[in-house]
Amino acid sequence: SQQGEEDPQALSIQEGENATMNCSYKTSINNLQWYRQNSGRGLVHLILIRSNEREKHSGRLRVTLDTSKKSSSLLITASRAADTASYFCATADRDDKIIFGKGTRLHILP
Amino acid sequence: GAGVSQSPRYKVAKRGQDVALRCDPISGHVSLFWYQQALGQGPEFLTYFQNEAQLDKSGLPSDRFFAERPEGSVSTLKIQRTQQEDSAVYLCASSLAGLFHEQYFGPGTRLTVT
Repeated sequence: SQQGEEDPQALSIQEGENATMNCSYKTSINNLQWYRQNSGRGLVHLILIRSNEREKHSGRLRVTLDTSKKSSSLLITASRAADTASYFCATADRDDKIIFGKGTRLHILP
Repeated sequence: GAGVSQSPRYKVAKRGQDVALRCDPISGHVSLFWYQQALGQGPEFLTYFQNEAQLDKSGLPSDRFFAERPEGSVSTLKIQRTQQEDSAVYLCASSLAGLFHEQYFGPGTRLTVT
């Protein structure tokens, strides 16, 4: 079973535009993490946001967390071709289990 | 600084065969995780070690799946009597300490059961 649900499932945007992906989850969490997976490559950790944080930045990435709505968003600004990948949110719940969503497949068009 | 490595990268097994998948975590990382990723899906948690102790194996899909980390470093995921539904990419990750830290993933082992 998967707790996190990313939205949209797939997203195509022009290079240079901003991309926004959302993640919803069901139970209380300790933190939420975003990962990227390129085709044929492993998962790479992007950013971790704790349950008592509301927003976090890392380079061109901005993550928000709304625990009242049990949702998070990942914003990638000024997208590049290299950003083409699948993006997953992962939550660590109170039962100490890491659960990944199904992912958003992002395609940056040249 | 080597990352997490996994071997083999690809494995084809006939239905009914046993397979063993190896994970070498980052040196000094206390926690080690195994995930199963089906095509087009996110990784699904299988099991978690802290040093040599297997703290959570609730994600293992059946008793045909067994994982060990006897010396708190290298881990092996064994699947007995493989079935076609076991075909997936098996990912290993390690983290410095515990569940709530950044996990570093290996490239995965793609298992195909024919």
